[in-house]
Amino acid sequence: EDKVVQSPLSLVVHEGDTVTLNCSYEVTNFRSLLWYKQEKKAPTFLFMLTSSGIEKKSGRLSSILDKKELFSILNITATQTGDSAIYLCAVENGSSNTGKLIFGQGTTLQVKP
Amino acid sequence: NAGVMQNPRHLVRRRGQEARLRCSPMKGHSHVYWYRQLPEEGLKFMVYLQKENIIDESGMPKERFSAEFPKEGPSILRIQQVVRGDSAAYFCASSRLGGYTFGSGTRLTVV
Repeated sequence: EDKVVQSPLSLVVHEGDTVTLNCSYEVTNFRSLLWYKQEKKAPTFLFMLTSSGIEKKSGRLSSILDKKELFSILNITATQTGDSAIYLCAVENGSSNTGKLIFGQGTTLQVKP
Repeated sequence: NAGVMQNPRHLVRRRGQEARLRCSPMKGHSHVYWYRQLPEEGLKFMVYLQKENIIDESGMPKERFSAEFPKEGPSILRIQQVVRGDSAAYFCASSRLGGYTFGSGTRLTVV
């Protein structure tokens, strides 16, 4: 059965800290891995990763994929209170052209002032 | 481009009533996905539809749940005879050639 596991499940840090969020997966037909940030409403897209070893960066956020070891990390440097959210990792299963996403449980990040 | 529009944002139903959740995909998107998020859990795939076709409903309960995406109008997720365990946030996503955009969700509360 396809599975995505995120760790830690929750994390509390202070502003300015750097955090690393982990996502490991087992998927029969991997197409891509996606990271989303969810505050009180819609998950908002952060990154899509398809190739190993190529870091994607957006401001203070960066992410990288390791397709050999089947995991990805999301780094946030110099955290701010506005980074407080649930971070969701999802893997796209390319079987049968359904393209459905398998989500992990999410990591709840709280950044304290 | 208004993005993926879901309504209502909040829906309260008594046990046994029907719930209808609507999703209008982004302009130009012909693929719609419904996901359910229970408290403290990640999103779980329910159903994938294209216009007038259900492509994959492997995540949808066999009873009481149905979905459609008609030629005209929004996609509808319908839950008949709701029970307390149906209380959750229901998210719709649309895509076109990869890349998924999520709506703000409908929070269903069954009392």
